[in-house]
Amino acid sequence: GAVVSQHPSWVICKSGTSVKIECRSLDFQATTMFWYRQFPKQSLMLMATSNEGSKATYEQGVEKDKFLINHASLTLSTLTVTSAHPEDSSFYICSARQTPEGLAGVTTQYFGPGTRLTVL
Amino acid sequence: GENVEQHPSTLSVQEGDSAVIKCTYSDSASNYFPWYKQELGKRPQLIIDIRSNVGEKKDQRIAVTLNKTAKHFSLHITETQPEDSAVYFCAASLNFNKFYFGSGTKLNVKP
Repeated sequence: GAVVSQHPSWVICKSGTSVKIECRSLDFQATTMFWYRQFPKQSLMLMATSNEGSKATYEQGVEKDKFLINHASLTLSTLTVTSAHPEDSSFYICSARQTPEGLAGVTTQYFGPGTRLTVL
Repeated sequence: GENVEQHPSTLSVQEGDSAVIKCTYSDSASNYFPWYKQELGKRPQLIIDIRSNVGEKKDQRIAVTLNKTAKHFSLHITETQPEDSAVYFCAASLNFNKFYFGSGTKLNVKP
């Protein structure tokens, strides 16, 4: 299957600093990517939809000024957690939607390996 | 938005037995229902999926059934093995856009 990478895989930062997480589709172009957050022993919660060349759309309750999303190219979306606080500590996972050309292709989503953020 | 409920939250079975996990969804427009297996600290892995134009799909020991009228779908694992132990998530989506996940089921297969 297609490959989606995330960087970094883990990060520890001090409270008040900003952290940028990258999500890359390595062997396909993704006009749409998604960002999820997963707290320990909980489900994946959709945060926002990242659209190449346009503004991201955020789910209800997600602060767009705190979680900045930039989808500058067809293979890269970034999530910046601004002024991070301990309650932002979580596992952040992106996914990229692949829509193959032609009728024979099947649209699906591929998940990145996740980024574990710990805010001290 | 879509609301997906999943149960049970934990499921313990003996090796060789079957396991069934059930999900319901609220948005009748949803037309794609994937199931994911997630091991601790790792990304979710797609194990099987079903689209709304199909009632059942099977892949070796894994099967999924969909009842559109009742808005529920289920994952069936037969002849369970210890390596099936993980957390399983169902999800619902419209046209492969946003995925709304269930709360997860921790499956423990006892040898």
